[in-house]
Amino acid sequence: DTGVSQDPRHKITKRGQNVTFRCDPISEHNRLYWYRQTLGQGPEFLTYFQNEAQLEKSRLLSDRFSAERPKGSFSTLEIQRTEQGDSAMYLCASSLGWASGRTYNEQFFGPGTRLTVL
Amino acid sequence: SQKIEQNSEALNIQEGKTATLTCNYTNYSPAYLQWYRQDPGRGPVFLLLIRENEKEKRKERLKVTFDTTLKQSLFHITASQPADSATYLCAPDSGGGADGLTFGKGTHLIIQP
Repeated sequence: DTGVSQDPRHKITKRGQNVTFRCDPISEHNRLYWYRQTLGQGPEFLTYFQNEAQLEKSRLLSDRFSAERPKGSFSTLEIQRTEQGDSAMYLCASSLGWASGRTYNEQFFGPGTRLTVL
Repeated sequence: SQKIEQNSEALNIQEGKTATLTCNYTNYSPAYLQWYRQDPGRGPVFLLLIRENEKEKRKERLKVTFDTTLKQSLFHITASQPADSATYLCAPDSGGGADGLTFGKGTHLIIQP
């Protein structure tokens, strides 16, 4: 399967614990995005990478959130000291970006990681 | 502030009819507008993109219009089928591929047999 994959698919944790999610993008895509989605809402942008560089962070990304893409391939999203308000679906997406000469942002999403904070 | 509005209520359509979904935006000047489909528990799937200089775009049973004066896009599914039941999300795109997308809340479409 050459689509975007995410691991784990589900995570249940207790408030105050740290969690880490992984995203493997489509191999030739140099851009990788993280979104958060709560019930009844559209995905909300968190951050994005071009290769290994983190180029933009949303105001939604508090100090407890950190994302990395160390080799420009897979990415991790860590949430420290989780709170009940962090419960959501965390979606990863990738796109081709500038390398292909595109100027629009068609994104390919993974299946998401559903986080429940008790 | 930028705002995207989609039909807030679920849309119930009889099989075989045309479903029309609305996306209105304010305080945006998007170069493109994208439509995605999302099934329960899954990530969104890209369907169509329309550019600001295009009035209409078609793909099989799907048709999208883009009116930059009205600041509105309409998404049509003709000859609708129960398998078309899903949530449909619109995302105005400023272009340049520099930013993450901002999505509307989505419209939940139900096609009844």
